[in-house]
Amino acid sequence: EIVLTQSPGTLSLSPGERATLSCRASQSVSSSYLAWYQHKPGQAPRLLIHGASSRATGIPDRFSGSGSGTDFTLTISRLEPEDFAVYYCQQYGSSPMYIFGQGTKLEIK
Amino acid sequence: EVQLVESGGGLVKPGGSLRLSCAASGFTFSRYSMNWVRQAPGKGLEWVSCISSGSMYIYYADSVKGRFTISRDNTKSSLYLQMNSLRAEDTAVYYCARLTAMESFDYWGQGTLITVSS
Repeated sequence: EIVLTQSPGTLSLSPGERATLSCRASQSVSSSYLAWYQHKPGQAPRLLIHGASSRATGIPDRFSGSGSGTDFTLTISRLEPEDFAVYYCQQYGSSPMYIFGQGTKLEIK
Repeated sequence: EVQLVESGGGLVKPGGSLRLSCAASGFTFSRYSMNWVRQAPGKGLEWVSCISSGSMYIYYADSVKGRFTISRDNTKSSLYLQMNSLRAEDTAVYYCARLTAMESFDYWGQGTLITVSS
């Protein structure tokens, strides 16, 4: 069973700063099936990145994804006030079929 | 505009049953696999179940296997989750989500809250 471990658990930054979020898989995974989501309280999760590095429709270019094998990164180049949320990575696996990391909370410093 | 609207949530006693619905609009529902994903209070996202476009393939998380049943009605553009033998640990917001060819979830509903408590 693949486990996705996100770090840090909480990231405290100020608007305008750069955010780097990590997602590490317990075994090598296909980058084609690695996605990132943004989730705000009371809202639907929002797909940001699919295929490890492709931005979803309508996602600003300050969001970027990278990585391969076991290590993946979501970078937000310059934080806007609306970017403070919880971020999840997700991978297509076998059992369970879809796996989420435990999340990184990005909070305003 | 793609819309997914869940309904059917509420308070249920342990051992009870509940049926969730998800009404889809703004896209050709019959062409997409659909999923249920849940979030327990204070926890992260957990995938629950997936059904292929024509209902041929169905998958469940181990935590709900044998208790939950996913189904769909393409004529009504609707997704369902029959939840039986509910436990306190099933308490969560349940989201329906559309699956892409890249095995990611591109559209989500706002969620419906299930509370299992005596």
